[in-house]
Amino acid sequence: GEDVEQSLFLSVREGDSSVINCTYTDSSSTYLYWYKQEPGAGLQLLTYIFSNMDMKQDQRLTVLLNKKDKHLSLRIADTQTGDSAIYFCAESTSSASKIIFGSGTRLSIRP
Amino acid sequence: SAVISQKPSRDICQRGTSLTIQCQVDSQVTMMFWYRQQPGQSLTLIATANQGSEATYESGFVIDKFPISRPNLTFSTLTVSNMSPEDSSIYLCSVEARDIPPGYTFGSGTRLTVV
Repeated sequence: GEDVEQSLFLSVREGDSSVINCTYTDSSSTYLYWYKQEPGAGLQLLTYIFSNMDMKQDQRLTVLLNKKDKHLSLRIADTQTGDSAIYFCAESTSSASKIIFGSGTRLSIRP
Repeated sequence: SAVISQKPSRDICQRGTSLTIQCQVDSQVTMMFWYRQQPGQSLTLIATANQGSEATYESGFVIDKFPISRPNLTFSTLTVSNMSPEDSSIYLCSVEARDIPPGYTFGSGTRLTVV
């Protein structure tokens, strides 16, 4: 079945890079996404990657995809206090018109 | 991408009562999705709502508990019926984003507390 897993917590120092990891099980994934949820807010799509790509960069965000290992990561360069949030990894597949979310990683920033 | 207005943004309800959550989209969309996010948990899909047909419910969710309406291509409601404290969650509606196929846009959510 479909399953997406993430570690629950990550703490980084302000200005350092944050790397949030995600693994998934469905080899037919077409798109993989990173969503951000700030306290009391809905989900904001941060970035996505098509499954035939291995890297995507968008300003401070770098997404790496290792399709062989079914591993996705999100790197946030120069992490700021405004990056504090829960980050959800999600996948969509060609067989289902829905997306499956991971458990979310709570990113906290320390001074 | 589509803009979603969801209301109420939060509510505190007595057990045994029902709450209807509304989701309005600024453009026509084929499918609308309703999710539940229990405290500290990820998002779980409740059902998919297509205009003109009955909603399709995921395993563990039933129409009697979570009736859904989809009267047109821009609007849907989710009702949480006969509420208990276990229904305390954030409920979110979502639509497919047309500019990022097949990405999804989310409403800001309804934070429900049942006492």
